Amino acid sequence: KAGVTQTPRYLIKTRGQQVTLSCSPISGHRSVSWYQQTPGQGLQFLFEYFSETQRNKGNFPGRFSGRQFSNSRSEMNVSTLELGDSALYLCASSLRLAGGPVGELFFGEGSRLTVL
Amino acid sequence: AQTVTQSQPEMSVQEAETVTLSCTYDTSESDYYLFWYKQPPSRQMILVIRQEAYKQQNATENRFSVNFQKAAKSFSLKISDSQLGDAAMYFCAYRSDSGGSNYKLTFGKGTLLTVNP
Repeated sequence: KAGVTQTPRYLIKTRGQQVTLSCSPISGHRSVSWYQQTPGQGLQFLFEYFSETQRNKGNFPGRFSGRQFSNSRSEMNVSTLELGDSALYLCASSLRLAGGPVGELFFGEGSRLTVL
Repeated sequence: AQTVTQSQPEMSVQEAETVTLSCTYDTSESDYYLFWYKQPPSRQMILVIRQEAYKQQNATENRFSVNFQKAAKSFSLKISDSQLGDAAMYFCAYRSDSGGSNYKLTFGKGTLLTVNP
């Protein structure tokens, strides 16, 4: 069974631009979560999508958004990039029943974003 | 809000020896899960071991075991017979089991483990 796939693996943007990251979950997983990893703040929860709906959101500004498609693939978008957005963005998928907890998270290898 | 603290930014161990990574957490909840994740240089986070708070027995997975002290809010990871492939960043994580907060993991800052040959 294929794991969680994230694209692109590396990207470089300049301040003010926007970026879209993609995540394909493990087949059968309907929940996709996004985390930001930086040396200073560590791993921080961005948001979780389940059945094409954002179910939960972390403490990030509105510049960070996402969506989930009917095949459970998810994208996250960051608009008006700032230097501080440079980070490793990790996607994780999990089995989750409606109304139930997020199960074990299976992570992708991440997308390394550098903002110049 | 829950917090997870890993007080050891870096640890090193000789191959074949045992090392213990520390983790403490703060919560007012009684039902929750604790995890140890491993992030090798390739960056993919892998679940090492999990512990349900309602279980008194410490979880074990091959060479990996935990010492879960619920009253002390402590959750340490012991790696026995360390191997070169164990070298990685290790993260301790907490997940609530209550309906309002069971959707995310709260991570510690990590411990970088070096295994010396």
